[in-house]
Amino acid sequence: DGGITQSPKYLFRKEGQNVTLSCEQNLNHDAMYWYRQDPGQGLRLIYYSQIVNDFQKGDIAEGYSVSREKKESFPLTVTSAQKNPTAFYLCAIGGGLSNTGELFFGEGSRLTVL
Amino acid sequence: LAKTTQPISMDSYEGQEVNITCSHNNIATNDYITWYQQFPSQGPRFIIQGYKTKVTNEVASLFIPADRKSSTLSLPRVSLSDTAVYYCLVGDWSGGFKTIFGAGTRLFVKA
Repeated sequence: DGGITQSPKYLFRKEGQNVTLSCEQNLNHDAMYWYRQDPGQGLRLIYYSQIVNDFQKGDIAEGYSVSREKKESFPLTVTSAQKNPTAFYLCAIGGGLSNTGELFFGEGSRLTVL
Repeated sequence: LAKTTQPISMDSYEGQEVNITCSHNNIATNDYITWYQQFPSQGPRFIIQGYKTKVTNEVASLFIPADRKSSTLSLPRVSLSDTAVYYCLVGDWSGGFKTIFGAGTRLFVKA
């Protein structure tokens, strides 16, 4: 089954804990992105990566960290430094030098801090 | 990156044509205009993309005037399942790709 897979779909966390959200793709795209969406709001870019072993901060990177050790994987860690982590997190692939800019999104991970 | 402005919400009835206009006064020469659709608790889905004039696919049409400072997404004969949030994005995809999603337009289709 091809595409982009996010896990877990739902996650609960206690305050002070770090959590890692998984994003895996088998479409061979170079560029991967993490967005955050709050209720009734648009998407805000957290981090993006255009190539393995390289990533850039987006508009709201504080309190988050990422890695890009493999082309297929772009995990996002929500650290305890993130003040309001409860949100819907979306991973996307696409764009870049050889694309027209279409982004493909995963199904999202909903994080709730208890 | 060019900023976009869209209506916050729109209402329509089944079977009607819906036109959502997006303003992007600061669009750059290399920028494309892309529209996405998002249902609750799902990721946005690509609808259509264009650079100038008119683009049509099986889902929608995109009208872009000569000055490219605005664009209009046209959804023919909407149904209840078209109730969603629609985002207009403007950007250069050739490198250093970043996308700014505004709040979008919430379309409510009524029976």
